[in-house]
Amino acid sequence: QVLLQESGPGLVKPSQTLSLTCTVSGGSISDVDFNWNWIRQSPGKGLEWIGYIYFTGSTYYNPSLKSRVTISADTSKNQVSLKLTSVSAADSAVYFCARDSASSLTYFGFDVWGQGTSVIVSS
Amino acid sequence: EIVMTQSPATLSVSPGERTTLSCRASQSVSSNLAWYQQKPGQSPSLVLYGASTRATGFPARFSGSGSGTEFTLTISSLQSEDFAVYYCQQYHIWPYTFGQGTKLEIK
Repeated sequence: QVLLQESGPGLVKPSQTLSLTCTVSGGSISDVDFNWNWIRQSPGKGLEWIGYIYFTGSTYYNPSLKSRVTISADTSKNQVSLKLTSVSAADSAVYFCARDSASSLTYFGFDVWGQGTSVIVSS
Repeated sequence: EIVMTQSPATLSVSPGERTTLSCRASQSVSSNLAWYQQKPGQSPSLVLYGASTRATGFPARFSGSGSGTEFTLTISSLQSEDFAVYYCQQYHIWPYTFGQGTKLEIK
């Protein structure tokens, strides 16, 4: 059973960088069949897909956040990380990591999610 | 980006009843649509993908239909554990986008 666990600071100051880690257990982020995504949820904007990384390092980001987002992977630690720069109150949300299929032919949605971690942006 | 619109925002239904939730896409997403269930304090769980294929763990009372821009999720006989918020999501074109959700509450 694949489990995802997000971790990171729950409070970030405005204009600083939000950094979160997703640790994967019971599976490998090097698995060729999957992408590893970050998704956030806030009362104001609902569920918002941030971007994904494939184990080769290939990434794709939501254009609305692209200038501020970096998703990286550490295969030795089986972790995926998210960095979001120049944060504001609008970036306050619960951040989830989630797995989906890397193949468009056998795509099945986000089938495994972490429990989420709440981040508040405030001074 | 594709805008997903769900209706209604809240649905009050009695246990045992049949209910249908709607999702509309601002442009065609073919059958590249998923539904998720989210209970309070939990992460979303995949219910359906490909508009009508049930995900692991969800019983046959959950069914989906539609293609193009109009989709529905039907629950044939509501059980207490089904009361939650349901989201649709398109994966036809990046960025993947979600609807704002329909809250299914006990009448």
